[in-house]
Amino acid sequence: DAGVTQSPTHLIKTRGQQVTLRCSPISGHKSVSWYQQVLGQGPQFIFQYYEKEERGRGNFPDRFSARQFPNYSSELNVNALLLGDSALYLCASSFGAGNSPLHFGNGTRLTVT
Amino acid sequence: GESVGLHLPTLSVQEGDNSIINCAYSNSASDYFIWYKQESGKGPQFIIDIRSNMDKRQGQRVTVLLNKTVKHLSLQIAATQPGDSAVYFCAGKKVGNTGNQFYFGTGTSLTVIP
Repeated sequence: DAGVTQSPTHLIKTRGQQVTLRCSPISGHKSVSWYQQVLGQGPQFIFQYYEKEERGRGNFPDRFSARQFPNYSSELNVNALLLGDSALYLCASSFGAGNSPLHFGNGTRLTVT
Repeated sequence: GESVGLHLPTLSVQEGDNSIINCAYSNSASDYFIWYKQESGKGPQFIIDIRSNMDKRQGQRVTVLLNKTVKHLSLQIAATQPGDSAVYFCAGKKVGNTGNQFYFGTGTSLTVIP
């Protein structure tokens, strides 16, 4: 079975630009979450979506937005990129919205120059 | 505030020995915990989970222990193999959170010496 897939795998952008990252969850999973992982640190929660509705938002500026589509795939958008947005962006899916394990993709490595 | 953290940033063990990786959490951090393994260039991989109504849970070569009295979590890996070399994270789900928002520790890098 296919796991969580993310695209693109790597991305280089310039400060001020906008970026869209994409994620397809494991088949049958209805919840998608986004995490940011800075080098040397653990992942930090950005958003969770369940059945196309936002279920949680982490401590990130409004430049970050996301949505979930009817097929449960998801996009993360970041506007007005800053150097500090350079990180590994991880998407995770889970079967339910509550106490169910997250299954992560391999992430999108974003570099902002 | 809520937080989880790991005791040691690095750990080296001999192949075949048992490994113990520790994690502490704050007062209201979690009622559900997960251990993840992350290899270079990959996303975190689910290892084992435990709910706060349990003290111990076992999987294949791994055991997670939860001590709610001292707010401590550990991952034990039996007969550690070179393929176990990776960064290990504990993650806790916020108490009362109806979603799936997890707090991650900073990770312990495990190196297995052949």
